Amino acid sequence: DQQVKQNSPSLSVQEGRISILNCDYTNSMFDYFLWYKKYPAEGPTFLISISSIKDKNEDGRFTVFLNKSAKHLSLHIVPSQPGDSAVYFCAASGSGGSNYKLTFGKGTLLTVNP
Amino acid sequence: DGGITQSPKYLFRKEGQNVTLSCEQNLNHDAMYWYRQDPGQGLRLIYYSQIVNDFQKGDIAEGYSVSREKKESFPLTVTSAQKNPTAFYLCASSISGTVGEQYFGPGTRLTVT
Repeated sequence: DQQVKQNSPSLSVQEGRISILNCDYTNSMFDYFLWYKKYPAEGPTFLISISSIKDKNEDGRFTVFLNKSAKHLSLHIVPSQPGDSAVYFCAASGSGGSNYKLTFGKGTLLTVNP
Repeated sequence: DGGITQSPKYLFRKEGQNVTLSCEQNLNHDAMYWYRQDPGQGLRLIYYSQIVNDFQKGDIAEGYSVSREKKESFPLTVTSAQKNPTAFYLCASSISGTVGEQYFGPGTRLTVT
């Protein structure tokens, strides 16, 4: 049973436009959410996170929105740049004795076209 | 420079052989993790350790073993009991007591034939 779902395997946008990557979760115990960026044959790098007590967190070109009632979060990248082309993973962690354990989605391949 | 080191980058083994993947960190992090990534899949947790001399099974621990004798090191052994060992293996660490951010190493691509 997949607890973190990224339903779009891929997304293609033009340079300068907005990229919106979506993520849904099913486990109501999740209370901390993260986005990672990954290039081929490399380890993921942390991008941005959000706690369940917030509904928005912004860091430069990256903004994460959390809708707890819908169990949905999204990552907005504005403006998109060719160097943003990578696989983006949504991850979640929660309480119940496993604060350190991250559950990952399958990822969305973002391609930013010049 | 602080970071996580995984070696080697590429590893080839014959079926039936055990193989140990190295993971070292100098970030002074208490917690360390091993993940596996397969094509088209997310990262799946194999084992994690929150403190020296202690570790727990993740979601796909069968066929794997770990040790945590030192804070800096968390080696993963892929045993012959692992039915599909060919994969990209990622090690990560995080500060104990902090929810969330895990920092990843560059990964090891293991190919078993």
